[in-house]
Amino acid sequence: GDQVEQSPSALSLHEGTDSALRCNFTTTMRSVQWFRQNSRGSLISLFYLASGTKENGRLKSAFDSKERRYSTLHIRDAQLEDSGTYFCAAEARSNYNVLYFGSGTKLTVEP
Amino acid sequence: GPKVLQIPSHQIIDMGQMVTLNCDPVSNHLYFYWYKQILGQQMEFLVNFYNGKVMEKSKLFKDQFSVERPDGSYFTLKIQPTALEDSAVYFCASSPDRANERLFFGHGTKLSVL
Repeated sequence: GDQVEQSPSALSLHEGTDSALRCNFTTTMRSVQWFRQNSRGSLISLFYLASGTKENGRLKSAFDSKERRYSTLHIRDAQLEDSGTYFCAAEARSNYNVLYFGSGTKLTVEP
Repeated sequence: GPKVLQIPSHQIIDMGQMVTLNCDPVSNHLYFYWYKQILGQQMEFLVNFYNGKVMEKSKLFKDQFSVERPDGSYFTLKIQPTALEDSAVYFCASSPDRANERLFFGHGTKLSVL
């Protein structure tokens, strides 16, 4: 709920461009995950990070290792199939049994 | 990759009836979860389950809700009786060997309470 602030709420990109999504956390988080939800509602895990950065193709994610208060998801050379809603979800250090989700970023990639 | 299966994909019931949502988690995973997503809103944690017991539940997990995984079969969420505000998409998830590490989600069951 309020522990995760995700921005922007919506984003429109042209094919081939780059952009970044961000999640700020109101408390120190233990780990963060990024998901993409497609039009059918399926949630696909993109990254799990306990610290540092991970890269997979045109996607790269970073989790601030020092303060552990924000994470970013970079999209390089956006393609039409990248369209969907992206969620970050973080696990609080004070309650590692619960994942707190952001409100999502609806990404539309246009030709 | 590993898949979490949810059955059915859509369930329509009358208010006050009982409903059971079924989840077939990834084989050998040890932690199981239910999340609720009302249309247009963010995903919210309901409950997690390990070694036959509820580990943590949120305030959304009302007394009418219960979970179980009898004999390692389906991980189920039962709502009895249902209320109109229970209408949502319910997502099941599982993770291998530590709570919340690398969750795998099912496609969700859309519950419509009339």
